[in-house]
Amino acid sequence: EAGVTQSPTHLIKTRGQQATLRCSPISGHTSVYWYQQALGLGLQFLLWYDEGEERNRGNFPPRFSGRQFPNYSSELNVNALELEDSALYLCASSLVREEYGYTFGSGTRLTVV
Amino acid sequence: DQQVKQNSPSLSVQEGRISILNCDYTNSMFDYFLWYKKYPAEGPTFLISISSIKDKNEDGRFTVFLNKSAKHLSLHIVPSQPGDSAVYFCAASSRTNAGKSTFGDGTTLTVKP
Repeated sequence: EAGVTQSPTHLIKTRGQQATLRCSPISGHTSVYWYQQALGLGLQFLLWYDEGEERNRGNFPPRFSGRQFPNYSSELNVNALELEDSALYLCASSLVREEYGYTFGSGTRLTVV
Repeated sequence: DQQVKQNSPSLSVQEGRISILNCDYTNSMFDYFLWYKKYPAEGPTFLISISSIKDKNEDGRFTVFLNKSAKHLSLHIVPSQPGDSAVYFCAASSRTNAGKSTFGDGTTLTVKP
């Protein structure tokens, strides 16, 4: 069974540009989560999508947005990139039961120069 | 305000001995606590979880203990193996803030042969 896949693996953008990150969940998982991990820090919750709807959002500005498609894949968009947006962006999927935990992808390393 | 804290950035133990990783939290509304393991260049992998109504959960070599009065949980790995060397993240979630897990900054465990 394929795990959570993310693309691209690495992305280099210039300050002010837009970045688009993509995620495909495990087959059968309807929930997709996005997390940001800055260097040396823990994971910060960005967004949760379930059944095509945004269900919850972390403390990030509106220039962080996304969507979930009918096949449950998801896209994270970051507009007006700032240098501090440089981080590892992790996507995860799950069955919607808290105690089962998430299955994470390997992440997209975004570098803003 | 960091609601989930892992105060030890690193831990080193001898192969075969017990590894104890600690985590403290401040939000009494958390319903589930989870541990993840992360190898370099990979996403975190779910290890084990515990409900707030329990004080212990065991899965093979991994046991998680929860002390609600102290707002403290710990992960015990017995016996430790070199392959356990990784970064371990503690996470917590609440039904009142569904879809969001709050992560600690991680503890790097090194198991020496």
